[in-house]
Amino acid sequence: DAKTTQPNSMESNEEEPVHLPCNHSTISGTDYIHWYRQLPSQGPEYVIHGLTSNVNNRMASLAIAEDRKSSTLILHRATLRDAAVYYCILRDPVDDYKLSFGAGTTVTVRA
Amino acid sequence: NAGVMQNPRHLVRRRGQEARLRCSPMKGHSHVYWYRQLPEEGLKFMVYLQKENIIDESGMPKERFSAEFPKEGPSILRIQQVVRGDSAAYFCASSLSGTGVSYTFGSGTRLTVV
Repeated sequence: DAKTTQPNSMESNEEEPVHLPCNHSTISGTDYIHWYRQLPSQGPEYVIHGLTSNVNNRMASLAIAEDRKSSTLILHRATLRDAAVYYCILRDPVDDYKLSFGAGTTVTVRA
Repeated sequence: NAGVMQNPRHLVRRRGQEARLRCSPMKGHSHVYWYRQLPEEGLKFMVYLQKENIIDESGMPKERFSAEFPKEGPSILRIQQVVRGDSAAYFCASSLSGTGVSYTFGSGTRLTVV
């Protein structure tokens, strides 16, 4: 299975952008890049996903490198409610229902 | 529908007892997945079920653990003769189809074995 590497933690100030990097150098051509986040004492929540092109939704933006070996989740204006663990996950095209959660990046937002 | 409902939220069991965790998927979702999160670790896939069928149980421990998703009622994750190492948060997710773009997770059941 292709693996992802993320920083353990990241801090941000409220209303500032947050850029969360993810390395996935062994990604295959058919793997989708998914991001989930887990707020304290909650289950994971879907954030965004993409294959090759950059993607935007109401929660965040996803910037994917041209060679697809890395990607960046962008929270445009962090709020205190964005404090969570963010997981970068590659969807296995064979068993794509198995999400492989690593340690993720713990995001702290300062008021 | 408020989403994926799991109960109880917290469950305390003594070693050797049985634990039953329940999961009601989102309305219209017929695919259910169970994950386990041990302390300080990421979530690990356990089992994938459709109504009345186990599709993939490759992540389930071979002994003491079982799961079902009957035609009527919630999905049940059953752990027999619990041990301290079973203490974890157990999350259920559901999707409309087996190859869904995204999954909706419940808030989990936190099992503590004393």
